[in-house]
Amino acid sequence: GNSVTQMEGPVTLSEEAFLTINCTYTATGYPSLFWYVQYPGEGLQLLLKATKADDKGSNKGFEATYRKETTSFHLEKGSVQVSDSAVYFCALGSNTGKLIFGQGTTLQVKP
Amino acid sequence: EPEVTQTPSHQVTQMGQEVILRCVPISNHLYFYWYRQILGQKVEFLVSFYNNEISEKSEIFDDQFSVERPDGSNFTLKIRSTKLEDSAMYFCASSEVNGLYSNQPQHFGDGTRLSIL
Repeated sequence: GNSVTQMEGPVTLSEEAFLTINCTYTATGYPSLFWYVQYPGEGLQLLLKATKADDKGSNKGFEATYRKETTSFHLEKGSVQVSDSAVYFCALGSNTGKLIFGQGTTLQVKP
Repeated sequence: EPEVTQTPSHQVTQMGQEVILRCVPISNHLYFYWYRQILGQKVEFLVSFYNNEISEKSEIFDDQFSVERPDGSNFTLKIRSTKLEDSAMYFCASSEVNGLYSNQPQHFGDGTRLSIL
């Protein structure tokens, strides 16, 4: 069945460091892929999305490219800020509409 | 920007009691979802709802669970007889169209933290 695997956390970085959070998926067909972010005490917010192979989603300095050949959708940011500290979820849109989430990766950015 | 709103933000209930979690989806959205997140675990799909009926449900969504859209705005999740393992954060989400066939993603509320004692 469809599934999403994310790298284990927590990820701890200094401010202005480069961020990569790995995400790989297993799916039939060509699902849409999403990154959601959950700030402390808040709900899930859509960060970015990609709907087909080679699409690049981007928002707030974050980017992720839909790689069909490696079934990956890694999240990157060139220079993280303390305010980026949150839990990041990679998700796959199944062919019935539901989202299938990875286990989440906690990012801690220190000043 | 329109939001999905959920009430209450925190619900504490005795085991065996019924609980109703409420959600107001974004007004022009047609697809509605409930997910839950047990502390420290991944977000899990419970149920999807479209055109006044359940489209899909997970194994978690057993006979103790039900959903309803009692009027044009609210979308509720009822747990008939709560168990300790129902303690979790419950998220409501809505989307304008089915996620796979559209660029419109699901929009989530801030969640209801359900604590079963």
